[in-house]
Amino acid sequence: QSVLTQPPSVSAAPGQKVTISCSGSTSNILNNYVSWYQQLPGTAPKLLIYDNSERPSGIPDRFSGSKSGTSATLGITGLQTGDEADYYCGTWDSVLSVWVFGGGTKLTV
Amino acid sequence: EEQLVESGGGLVKPGGSLRLSCEASGFTFSGYSMNWVRQAPGTGLEWVSSIGSTSSYRYYADSVKGRFTISRDNAKNSLFLQMDSLRVEDTAVYYCARDVSGSLGGLDVWGQGTTVTVSS
Repeated sequence: QSVLTQPPSVSAAPGQKVTISCSGSTSNILNNYVSWYQQLPGTAPKLLIYDNSERPSGIPDRFSGSKSGTSATLGITGLQTGDEADYYCGTWDSVLSVWVFGGGTKLTV
Repeated sequence: EEQLVESGGGLVKPGGSLRLSCEASGFTFSGYSMNWVRQAPGTGLEWVSSIGSTSSYRYYADSVKGRFTISRDNAKNSLFLQMDSLRVEDTAVYYCARDVSGSLGGLDVWGQGTTVTVSS
C-alpha cells in the first residue's frame, strides 16, 4: 500500500488530454514539493515535473503539474503513442523523513 | 552530460551482502544530496535511502533500516549502498538518483540501474 494514492490506469485517444491524480496527506504533499516521473518499459524513471509545477529543460510544455492542499495532478495534452508509460508522483514526508511515491499509473494512448 | 552509473549488483543468497556503487560525472557531485531508489519486479518505485551532500544526514526506509548503509566519497564522485542481511524481498533494480538543487523538489538525474537478486 503506497503512501500516495494514484489511479492504477488511465487512457485517452491520441491528441486528447489526460490528468493523473496523486493524493497524499498533511505530512507529505501539503507542506512539500511534488514531483512526477515517467517510466517507459525497461528504462529508468525520468523526471517530468519538480517543485509541483516546474519542468526540467527538454520536457515539452504538453506536460504540466499542479498542487492543491494534499493532492497533486499531472496533466498531459496532445497525447502521443510515445507517452504510453507508467507515471509516478513523489514527495518528501516530513513526519517520516522519507521519500514517498505513488503506486504508479499506467497510461494507455 | 550529467550521468550516474551504478554497479555492483548480482545474485546473492539470503543473509548475504552486496555493495552497490554509483559513479557520477558531468556535475559537481559534492553539491547534491543523493538517493537510492529500488523497483522490485513488476512493482512501483520504492525509496531506500538518502544522504546529504556532506553526509550530514542519512535517512533510511523502515524496510532496510539496520541492514543497509548509505555512504559517499565526494573526492571520488561516488555513492555507495552497503547491503547486509539481504532478504528475498530485497530483490529489485536499484537506482541512484540526484536531488534537484537540494530543495527536496524532485530527483532529476537517475542511473540506468543495477539488478540485485536474492535467492537460494
